[in-house]
Amino acid sequence: AQSVTQLGSHVSVSEGALVLLRCNYSSSVPPYLFWYVQYPNQGLQLLLKYTSAATLVKGINGFEAEFKKSETSFHLTKPSAHMSDAAEYFCAVKNSGAGSYQLTFGKGTKLSVIP
Amino acid sequence: NAGVTQTPKFRVLKTGQSMTLLCAQDMNHEYMYWYRQDPGMGLRLIHYSVGEGTTAKGEVPDGYNVSRLKKQNFLLGLESAAPSQTSVYFCASIPTMARAGYTGELFFGEGSRLTVL
Repeated sequence: AQSVTQLGSHVSVSEGALVLLRCNYSSSVPPYLFWYVQYPNQGLQLLLKYTSAATLVKGINGFEAEFKKSETSFHLTKPSAHMSDAAEYFCAVKNSGAGSYQLTFGKGTKLSVIP
Repeated sequence: NAGVTQTPKFRVLKTGQSMTLLCAQDMNHEYMYWYRQDPGMGLRLIHYSVGEGTTAKGEVPDGYNVSRLKKQNFLLGLESAAPSQTSVYFCASIPTMARAGYTGELFFGEGSRLTVL
């Protein structure tokens, strides 16, 4: 079964600094991978997704993620953090096989941006 | 286009009370899901449905029941609420897997915050 590990439940960065949120997955087949963002008191919104096309994926709000098969990673980055980026971020992998209509989520990383 | 709508948005229950959360989607999606979100636990799947009249258990189904009598609605029921069911509940949906170009993105509602005292 697929699984997702997000390193760091809480990450703090200064405004203008690089944002790096880590996600590692386990999957026996080429995965579909997603990053979702949840702003306070809101639902989840798709940030970007990897679907076996380009390994560098660009999403909304200046975020991007790189799929690295050799490292089984899909880390999320943004060159310069903005106060509005403060939110919780979830990495997810789409299950294959009988459960192919399900996503498995990581436990989330809460991003704080310090002025 | 409303997307996925959850009602109610907030609810406070006493232990032992029952209630139903309603999820409605207007996108003609086949599959629907109920997740719960707890601090440090991410999202965990409670139950899901792959079509009208069908339901299945997810990762944490105990204490919950669901029904999908109409394609657009997916109901989550708590027969006897417990404090451990205090959580934020999210409904999500996806179109049929046969649809060309579909890549498994989930469409989420805005959540229902439930507190059980």
